[in-house]
Amino acid sequence: EVQLVESGGGLVQPGRSLRLSCAASGFTFYDNAMHWVRQTPGKGLEWVSGISWNSGHTGYADSVKGRFTISRDNAKNSLYLQMNSLRTEDTAFYYCAKEHSNSFQYCGQGTLVTVSS
Amino acid sequence: QSALTQPASVSGSPGQSITISCTGTSSDVGAYDYVSWYQQHPGTAPKLIIYDVTDRPSGVSSRFSGSKTDNTASLTISGLRAEDDADYYCCSFTSSSTLYVFGTGTKVSVL
Repeated sequence: EVQLVESGGGLVQPGRSLRLSCAASGFTFYDNAMHWVRQTPGKGLEWVSGISWNSGHTGYADSVKGRFTISRDNAKNSLYLQMNSLRTEDTAFYYCAKEHSNSFQYCGQGTLVTVSS
Repeated sequence: QSALTQPASVSGSPGQSITISCTGTSSDVGAYDYVSWYQQHPGTAPKLIIYDVTDRPSGVSSRFSGSKTDNTASLTISGLRAEDDADYYCCSFTSSSTLYVFGTGTKVSVL
């Protein structure tokens, strides 16, 4: 059974940093591209960032480019999202997702990031 | 990159069929056969129900089907059931630096 468990969310002040983690199990992690997708409470979904199986390619939404960094550790079956210079508009549930043919095949249950003073 | 356009709400009675549209541009929906659809119940993570425009993941009911014409993709739910009452989002790969764009979301109500 595929499991994706996000952690690291919480309350943070604007301008500060936070690092999200995603622990993966139930599939061959190093064979798959991975992504972060977020959802503002009560609102729609937004793709945030993605990374190829070997970290050779990364992509970012324009809204987070230059502030967020995605990374992975295949030895630990883990995905990360370093979020710097956080803004109030970054407040959202952040989901870790396993890719399949340019779709998000499985998502974790999410971790809530609240950016507020 | 603007969000894909979906109707805010669609409703139907049990047993009926409904269709949700997802309109994009020639840079996303019209350019690639990488349209996917997600079902989301309150308080839960999105669940993939259609990928590559028409394909269903293992375990997803055949009552869900997808199609695409030009810049508009569609999701049809046949034989509507109470458990189909949920939010639905489309998503497309894009040619922009923001690689994926989601739709605005559609609330499906089973009357």
